Amino acid sequence: AQTVTQSQPEMSVQEAETVTLSCTYDTSESDYYLFWYKQPPSRQMILVIRQEAYKQQNATENRFSVNFQKAAKSFSLKISDSQLGDAAMYFCAYGEEGAQKLVFGQGTRLTINP
Amino acid sequence: DVKVTQSSRYLVKRTGEKVFLECVQDMDHENMFWYRQDPGLGLRLIYFSYDVKMKEKGDIPEGYSVSREKKERFSLILESASTNQTSMYLCASSFVQTSGNNEQFFGPGTRLTVL
Repeated sequence: AQTVTQSQPEMSVQEAETVTLSCTYDTSESDYYLFWYKQPPSRQMILVIRQEAYKQQNATENRFSVNFQKAAKSFSLKISDSQLGDAAMYFCAYGEEGAQKLVFGQGTRLTINP
Repeated sequence: DVKVTQSSRYLVKRTGEKVFLECVQDMDHENMFWYRQDPGLGLRLIYFSYDVKMKEKGDIPEGYSVSREKKERFSLILESASTNQTSMYLCASSFVQTSGNNEQFFGPGTRLTVL
């Protein structure tokens, strides 16, 4: 079965600095999708960024970017110019091509220090 | 905007009670999911439904059942609540994915405490 591992239960960063959250996954498939979701305190989980495995180019959404290393099965999230509103739980998730379900990691709690 | 709503944000129940958690989505999604979120364990899938009256067990179905009588509504049922079912419960929905994106849209969660 596919597994997703987030090895950093907690991270903290100074406001305006850059932080990287790690995620590794295990799969024998070649076609799949990877996601980073954000869950702010007491608020709904939302999608931050998505990466298709067949794309070599790393996805970027404003201050959020990923470093997708397919051979290493690594999918890290970089947040640049961290803002107080970035404080949240971040979950990495894996979904196979044609499959309906996602597999989630354990989550990383990110704290932003003013 | 996709909207997924859950019937309660907070719920306190007693051991042995039958508990219903309701989820409604307004985007005509075929798929609906119930997850349980616990610290250090992430999100674990309890049940999944891909159509009305259709369901599939997830990773931790024991002690739970589900009902999907209408496309927009997916209910999670704790037949006899136990203290180890104290948790945050998240509902999600998505379109059927045949080729492409499996993005799921989440509700706000229900924090259930069983005393």
